[in-house]
Amino acid sequence: NAGVMQNPRHLVRRRGQEARLRCSPMKGHSHVYWYRQLPEEGLKFMVYLQKENIIDESGMPKERFSAEFPKEGPSILRIQQVVRGDSAAYFCASSDGRNQPQHFGDGTRLSIL
Amino acid sequence: AQSVSQHNHHVILSEAASLELGCNYSYGGTVNLFWYVQYPGQHLQLLLKYFSGDPLVKGIKGFEAEFIKSKFSFNLRKPSVQWSDTAEYFCASLANAGKSTFGDGTTLTVKP
Repeated sequence: NAGVMQNPRHLVRRRGQEARLRCSPMKGHSHVYWYRQLPEEGLKFMVYLQKENIIDESGMPKERFSAEFPKEGPSILRIQQVVRGDSAAYFCASSDGRNQPQHFGDGTRLSIL
Repeated sequence: AQSVSQHNHHVILSEAASLELGCNYSYGGTVNLFWYVQYPGQHLQLLLKYFSGDPLVKGIKGFEAEFIKSKFSFNLRKPSVQWSDTAEYFCASLANAGKSTFGDGTTLTVKP
């Protein structure tokens, strides 16, 4: 029973490039959450999706960031025109209900040169 | 808005010492509470959760937490820590909105 799968584990981009982070939820889970962890800080909520719908994106920066969870395939967190401040660990979690415990992936560590 | 605060950023203990990590949350409505652990280089793992009922919750690896509504607290405890408990511990709250709010984490170092 595979857990939450994120790829890549490490992603290096130059300023101005695009970053795409992928997340496959646990089997049977239709709720996906993205969090960002900056150095020395806890996880900060970004967005909550439930199959093709964005439920809550109150933690997403207004520009350059977008997320999707298509009917088929993984959830994608997309960051356009990356800047140095986007360097962080991005974690995806999934659950089988909106008030159920969330299971986390290993994260993607994004580094911006 | 929800918020979660963890009082200790870094705790250092010797093996067999007792552990208590503080966690306070701010949300006044119905809230679910969790403790997660993150071992070095690994993903977050759920230690225990509180939804309702008995306020003393037992989790994996000998951990327990007590929900005290009047104090808005959900402290994590373990009677006797081991070197393998060295990790970062996160308290989180989950309200009906579906998103979790995390504390900044407490790094626990257990000396052998």
